[in-house]
Amino acid sequence: NAGVTQTPKFQVLKTGQSMTLQCAQDMNHEYMSWYRQDPGMGLRLIHYSVGAGITDQGEVPNGYNVSRSTTEDFPLRLLSAAPSQTSVYFCASSSQSEGRDTQYFGPGTRLTVL
Amino acid sequence: DAKTTQPPSMDCAEGRAANLPCNHSTISGNEYVYWYRQIHSQGPQYIIHGLKNNETNEMASLIITEDRKSSTLILPHATLRDTAVYYCIVRAKTGANNLFFGTGTRLTVIP
Repeated sequence: NAGVTQTPKFQVLKTGQSMTLQCAQDMNHEYMSWYRQDPGMGLRLIHYSVGAGITDQGEVPNGYNVSRSTTEDFPLRLLSAAPSQTSVYFCASSSQSEGRDTQYFGPGTRLTVL
Repeated sequence: DAKTTQPPSMDCAEGRAANLPCNHSTISGNEYVYWYRQIHSQGPQYIIHGLKNNETNEMASLIITEDRKSSTLILPHATLRDTAVYYCIVRAKTGANNLFFGTGTRLTVIP
């Protein structure tokens, strides 16, 4: 299993540009989520999904959209990038059987917005 | 989720056991203790979790006191690759949707 994969690893955007961060998992996990990590702030939940076709907002959803058309993929879209969205973004997944709190994280996408 | 307190940093000699403490004096009966770690520039990694009994897996052991107000994560033979920030998280399985990582303990394994 590849686990949780994220692309790209690094991205630089200009203010106002849009882009999609990709996340995929091959473990057939029901639960997927997106976090952002800023220095000294810990991880904060952006959006999450409990299954295909179901998404919900986390702690800091503004400026981001998600969709979950398949079990495997959970892309995160930045609608109009702002410097405040400069951060490291982590995608995570977990299974019903193992428990939602045993989460497997991807390697992260380092985003800089100029 | 119950609040946790961890020392900000610890050192451990390579090959020795690393014992990382966590205080969670307000833990409720249905809350589990989870440990994650984050090696520099990587995503967090799940280590172990427990409710009441001590737990052991291929990565570590978790010792929870009888009153459940504190716990210790033990890495039996620390290696340089165990240098990371270790997070103790206490939460119920029906808790909020996000894991609250806090600031954790920065463990440095010294050669």
